[in-house]
Amino acid sequence: QKEVEQNSGPLSVPEGAIASLNCTYSDRVSQSFFWYRQYSGKSPELIMSIYSNGDKEDGRFTAQLNKASQYVSLLIRDSQPSDSATYLCAVNRPLAGGYQKVTFGTGTKLQVIP
Amino acid sequence: DGGITQSPKYLFRKEGQNVTLSCEQNLNHDAMYWYRQDPGQGLRLIYYSQIVNDFQKGDIAEGYSVSREKKESFPLTVTSAQKNPTAFYLCASSTDRGPQETQYFGPGTRLLVL
Repeated sequence: QKEVEQNSGPLSVPEGAIASLNCTYSDRVSQSFFWYRQYSGKSPELIMSIYSNGDKEDGRFTAQLNKASQYVSLLIRDSQPSDSATYLCAVNRPLAGGYQKVTFGTGTKLQVIP
Repeated sequence: DGGITQSPKYLFRKEGQNVTLSCEQNLNHDAMYWYRQDPGQGLRLIYYSQIVNDFQKGDIAEGYSVSREKKESFPLTVTSAQKNPTAFYLCASSTDRGPQETQYFGPGTRLLVL
């Protein structure tokens, strides 16, 4: 079982719709969860972080975390063609000495159709 | 401007040649990381450094070497022992230790073999 799993997609949604991206993780001691957006040929850009169960909203983006189900999701409302990118889920788990190990999923490619 | 810089943007390696990728940050971050990204794959950790003059192997360190002589700099050398070096190389640095440690990425270096 992979530490962090995402559906590779592509996920195609029409402009203006809600895009729902999902991620599951295997290590129950994971503490922090991140979503990065990566445009083709570019480096990942942090868009959301979430640390506790529930929802966290930032503009058109909402991150949802359910630690019991080991599931984190990203909702993008009013999807725009500029949202077309690959979205990487990243999960931190603690190591000795207060350090963290972060594991990235392989990403979900989102296509927003005008 | 605060941020992470990587150079060069593109790098070409000849057979049997060692090449060095530069990574500099002025964010005053203690920790720095090198990842490799291949098409359709997630980010794989090569090396990381939590503090100056100390670094640790990641998941795929064979054929690579690093140094951390200054807080701001974490260069990666791709040696001739790395038989399949063609990839997108990403440097990251992170905020303070702890559960909310967050990684930020430089723009990346694309390495190609001649």
